Amino acid sequence: GDSVTQMEGPVTLSEEAFLTINCTYTATGYPSLFWYVQYPGEGLQLLLKATKADDKGSNKGFEATYRKETTSFHLEKGSVQVSDSAVYFCALSDPPLYGGATNKLIFGTGTLLAVQP
Amino acid sequence: NAGVTQTPKFQVLKTGQSMTLQCAQDMNHNSMYWYRQDPGMGLRLIYYSASEGTTDKGEVPNGYNVSRLNKREFSLRLESAAPSQTSVYFCASSGGLHAIAMGNGLSSYNEQFFGPGTRLTVL
Repeated sequence: GDSVTQMEGPVTLSEEAFLTINCTYTATGYPSLFWYVQYPGEGLQLLLKATKADDKGSNKGFEATYRKETTSFHLEKGSVQVSDSAVYFCALSDPPLYGGATNKLIFGTGTLLAVQP
Repeated sequence: NAGVTQTPKFQVLKTGQSMTLQCAQDMNHNSMYWYRQDPGMGLRLIYYSASEGTTDKGEVPNGYNVSRLNKREFSLRLESAAPSQTSVYFCASSGGLHAIAMGNGLSSYNEQFFGPGTRLTVL
């Protein structure tokens, strides 16, 4: 079945450091890919998404490019801040055919990012 | 708009007790979901409801039941709680299928909006 694998954490960085969180996926169809962020004590929020190969999702300085050839969707940010400390989840959406029911999300295990001042 | 709301925020149960977790959304979404979040395992889908009047099992449905009361509300019930059900439970909703026809296939996305979670401990 479809699955998502992301790098284990925690990832500890100093403020203004470059961030990469790796994510690879396995899917039989044409999935959409997502990064969700969970701040301490809160629910998940959509950070960015990409719906087809070579699309780049971006938001709040974060970027991720949908690479079909390497089945990857790595999250990057050029300069992290203390406020970016959170758990980051990579996810894919298994698309049904036209007329199908709702899409279901398949999540990776999450990566804890801790940014130190 | 409140988005997705969940009650209660915290709950402690004894083994064998029952309870219902409530979820409501005010975004007129068709689809709703229940997940559990456990350390090192990410989020796992318990049940979902593609539309009002329908429910389906997800990855880990055993020990749970759900009710899609109306378009707004989707409740999760634990009939006889067990320590293995100690977890953080998240409800989510989405508008449903959005599909864009591509030259070589279909592309679709499903943005899910999450509630703040219920932290459940079963002793």
